[in-house]
Amino acid sequence: NAGVTQTPKFQVLKTGQSMTLQCAQDMNHNSMYWYRQDPGMGLRLIYYSASEGTTDKGEVPNGYNVSRLNKREFSLRLESAAPSQTSVYFCASSEWTDQETQYFGPGTRLLVL
Amino acid sequence: AQSVTQPDIHITVSEGASLELRCNYSYGATPYLFWYVQSPGQGLQLLLKYFSGDTLVQGIKGFEAEFKRSQSSFNLRKPSVHWSDAAEYFCAVDYNAGNMLTFGGGTRLMVKP
Repeated sequence: NAGVTQTPKFQVLKTGQSMTLQCAQDMNHNSMYWYRQDPGMGLRLIYYSASEGTTDKGEVPNGYNVSRLNKREFSLRLESAAPSQTSVYFCASSEWTDQETQYFGPGTRLLVL
Repeated sequence: AQSVTQPDIHITVSEGASLELRCNYSYGATPYLFWYVQSPGQGLQLLLKYFSGDTLVQGIKGFEAEFKRSQSSFNLRKPSVHWSDAAEYFCAVDYNAGNMLTFGGGTRLMVKP
């Protein structure tokens, strides 16, 4: 099992460009999450999906959209990238019956110029 | 606002020495508590978690943590640190039993030979 996979690993964008970060999990988990990690701030929740077909805002949703494509995949879209969105983005998944253990992907490092 | 505080941004210990990483949370009721570790360039891995019961919990890699309700703390300990423990450590709290985590800012551990 690959666990949680993310693509791309690294991306450079210009201000105003758009892109989609992809995330997939092969653990048959119901819940999936997108976080951003910034120095000294830990991880902050952008959006989450408690189950297929549902999405909800987290702590820092502005400037982002998400799509829960199916049970396996949860994508994060930046419609018009800004330098403030330079960060490392992590996807995670969890299962209701696994006492809330979240499993994380390796991250996507995004630089917006 | 609910928050998680890790007072130490950086800690350096000698290999073989004991380690304690501090974590304090804000809230009245007992939340669910977690410690994660992040090796350089990697995603986060769960070390241990506390939901209820025995306040001293054992985790992987020889780590343990103790929940102290009176101090709103959940400190991580290891009796003897190995060079491979050098990483960043994050305390996380689920305040609502809803599988949404609030992370502390992280503590970067360096190990001297």
